[in-house]
Amino acid sequence: DQQVKQNSPSLSVQEGRISILNCDYTNSMFDYFLWYKKYPAEGPTFLISISSIKDKNEDGRFTVFLNKSAKHLSLHIVPSQPGDSAVYFCAAMRGFKTIFGAGTRLFVKA
Amino acid sequence: GAVVSQHPSWVICKSGTSVKIECRSLDFQATTMFWYRQFPKQSLMLMATSNEGSKATYEQGVEKDKFLINHASLTLSTLTVTSAHPEDSSFYICSARVGGGNSNQPQHFGDGTRLSIL
Repeated sequence: DQQVKQNSPSLSVQEGRISILNCDYTNSMFDYFLWYKKYPAEGPTFLISISSIKDKNEDGRFTVFLNKSAKHLSLHIVPSQPGDSAVYFCAAMRGFKTIFGAGTRLFVKA
Repeated sequence: GAVVSQHPSWVICKSGTSVKIECRSLDFQATTMFWYRQFPKQSLMLMATSNEGSKATYEQGVEKDKFLINHASLTLSTLTVTSAHPEDSSFYICSARVGGGNSNQPQHFGDGTRLSIL
């Protein structure tokens, strides 16, 4: 049973445009949601998080939106840069447990 | 800050041997560390939660006798894959969280270990 789902395995965006990565979850008890970025042969790197009591968190080019009624969150990257090309994992936390989505591979074309 | 170091980064060995992977928190103490396994094009699957000074907590379906975890200090956890076979070949990643397992801080990951069993 996948509690955190990233339904798009890949996304291709032109440099300078907005990248929107989506994530759905099923458990309304999650406390925090996070986005991680992963390059090949490296461990994931934390990007940005949002508490379940908020609906938006912004950090530079990265903004995470949370829609609790829809159990949906998204990561917006604007403007997208070629260096943003990586796999992005959505994750949800409850207590000390973190559950990851399957990841979305983002390609940013120059 | 919050750097997690994992060694080795790549291991190739013969079937039947045991392999030890180390995970160190370099600039913080980690009472809890996590071990994940990632198959190609799939998500990170939590294998076990490593607790300093006590036994690890294994996820359902993970053989504790196969994947031995030792968390001997606040900065070091080790995962030993015993009698490794080709099906154990995978990408293993450790992580730790500043403030311990129950904090709301994000996990910080090591760079992973690619294990290839011939």
